[in-house]
Amino acid sequence: GAGVSQTPSNKVTEKGKYVELRCDPISGHTALYWYRQSLGQGPEFLIYFQGTGAADDSGLPNDRFFAVRPEGSVSTLKIQRTERGDSAVYLCASSLEPSRGGYTFGSGTRLTVV
Amino acid sequence: QKEVEQNSGPLSVPEGAIASLNCTYSDRGSQSFFWYRQYSGKSPELIMSIYSNGDKEDGRFTAQLNKASQYVSLLIRDSQPSDSATYLCAVRNDYKLSFGAGTTVTVRA
Repeated sequence: GAGVSQTPSNKVTEKGKYVELRCDPISGHTALYWYRQSLGQGPEFLIYFQGTGAADDSGLPNDRFFAVRPEGSVSTLKIQRTERGDSAVYLCASSLEPSRGGYTFGSGTRLTVV
Repeated sequence: QKEVEQNSGPLSVPEGAIASLNCTYSDRGSQSFFWYRQYSGKSPELIMSIYSNGDKEDGRFTAQLNKASQYVSLLIRDSQPSDSATYLCAVRNDYKLSFGAGTTVTVRA
């Protein structure tokens, strides 16, 4: 597709459950980013992939969060034992690197933990 | 101190007026600066990029950068109701974007 695709667009889960969020980047983009946006806040960095490897995962809040990109294309953000505080919009972006430009976000996944 | 700070909103302007948005950042090594527009329930959309001191104009939008003062601004001229949104300032260091909390703009018809 032309843009970054994220699925599902909405996810409601019960506290304690496991969830997976998927990001399909723009074809050929080697860099992939996950951000999280809570209500009333700007997006916050979670993790950056260059190719298949996580070059910087310093933004992951704790060890319940994990992300993979096994073939250097699609990425999955995995959250174990979800908590109500994990409720947010999870945004993915991709880009060609190196670059100094801004990047284009996908439409996001709204996660609600009840 | 937050890395990127924006003037608190909300900002209400009449149609046809100029909306002025301000942003300061803390890291002098920041290389690139952006404004994103975010409509309610949507993801942020990149509307302006600026990399060197001075002004950059694109249609009704003008971004201004002053690296010495660590200050970025966005002017929206001839504001339209369709400009009503939250505007996010973002600063790039290497690969990472840091965002402000956003300023919500409402354009009154």
